[in-house]
Amino acid sequence: AQSVTQPDIHITVSEGASLELRCNYSYGATPYLFWYVQSPGQGLQLLLKYFSGDTLVQGIKGFEAEFKRSQSSFNLRKPSVHWSDAAEYFCAVGAGGNKLVFGAGTILRVKS
Amino acid sequence: EAQVTQNPRYLITVTGKKLTVTCSQNMNHEYMSWYRQDPGLGLRQIYYSMNVEVTDKGDVPEGYKVSRKEKRNFPLILESPSPNQTSLYFCASSSVGVGTEAFFGQGTRLTVV
Repeated sequence: AQSVTQPDIHITVSEGASLELRCNYSYGATPYLFWYVQSPGQGLQLLLKYFSGDTLVQGIKGFEAEFKRSQSSFNLRKPSVHWSDAAEYFCAVGAGGNKLVFGAGTILRVKS
Repeated sequence: EAQVTQNPRYLITVTGKKLTVTCSQNMNHEYMSWYRQDPGLGLRQIYYSMNVEVTDKGDVPEGYKVSRKEKRNFPLILESPSPNQTSLYFCASSSVGVGTEAFFGQGTRLTVV
């Protein structure tokens, strides 16, 4: 069965520092991978997605993610974090049709 | 503006009192689904619908019902809510197809006492 693991429940970074959020997936075929962000009191917003092709994908708000098939990973990165990036981040894998299987989420705190 | 609208945003109810959470989308999407979000578990799919009158169970369907009488609406029904259904609920919609972007509502925080 498909699954997604986000090993870090909480991460705290200083404003201006770089960020990497980890995501590992389990899926038998070529995965469709997503990163969503949930700001406090809001729904989920798509940051970026990977289907095929270039393994480094660019998203909104300055985020990027790299697909590494050998490591079953799809880590999210940002070179310089802003205070407004504080939110919960979810990695998800397309599990056939339109279904998404989500990881448990990583809460990002940004300290000034 | 393209959006998914859920109501209510917050709800406190008592055990056993039937309730309905509404969900409406204005993007003409065929696919709609309900998720619940619990700390440490992420989002888990409750039910989904591929089109009008076509619904199916997700991963955690027990205690929930849905209907899809119109393309834009996909209400979630709790016939006899219990405290273990206290959660944050999200409705989502998307075009049919692998990997299409899902659009989420703002969520409904339900507390069952």
